[in-house]
Amino acid sequence: EVELLESGGGLVQPGGSLRLYCEASGFTFGDYAMTWVRQAPGKGLEWVSSVSSGSVSKYYADSVKGRFTVSRDNSLDTLYLRMNSLRVEDTAIYYCAKTMGSYGVYFFDSWGQGTLVTVSS
Amino acid sequence: DIQMTQSPSSLSASVGDRVTITCRASQVISNHLAWYQQKPGKVPKLLIHDASTLQSGVPSRFSGSGFGTDFTLTISSLQPEDVATYYCQKYNSVPLTFGPGTKVDIK
Repeated sequence: EVELLESGGGLVQPGGSLRLYCEASGFTFGDYAMTWVRQAPGKGLEWVSSVSSGSVSKYYADSVKGRFTVSRDNSLDTLYLRMNSLRVEDTAIYYCAKTMGSYGVYFFDSWGQGTLVTVSS
Repeated sequence: DIQMTQSPSSLSASVGDRVTITCRASQVISNHLAWYQQKPGKVPKLLIHDASTLQSGVPSRFSGSGFGTDFTLTISSLQPEDVATYYCQKYNSVPLTFGPGTKVDIK
């Protein structure tokens, strides 16, 4: 069974940084692209970033480009999201999602429980 | 960037009713469309991909159709456990945009 466990969320001041983690199990992590999706309180889903299976390709939403960096360590079955220059509008639950295929531009067939990031002074 | 819209934004229907949700892309996306269900307080769940392929384990009362720019998600007989917000998502290219969602509840 696929399991995705996010961690690293918390309260941070505007302009601060945070690193999110997603530990995967139940599938061959290195064979699949992975994605971060966020959901602001009471709002809809917003795609944030995707990374291909071998980290060759990385994609970002315009809203986070230049501030967020996605990475992965296939030896540790772990996905990361480094978030810098955080803004109040980055406040959201951040979900890690297994992405069908290895390329990164596809749909998401398994989701983690999410980790809450709150940006506030 | 391609914009995704959904209609209606919310609906209320009776148990057993046929429910149809529409998703429209601002440009052609072939059949590169998925539908997700998010129950209150829960994680999103994949229902349909490639516009009409039912994900394994999803009840057969859910179906999807469409190609190009116009897509539909149909629940053939609404059940109480179908109360949720439904999102479409395009994946022909980045950005991997979601629609704004359609909230479904029981009348």
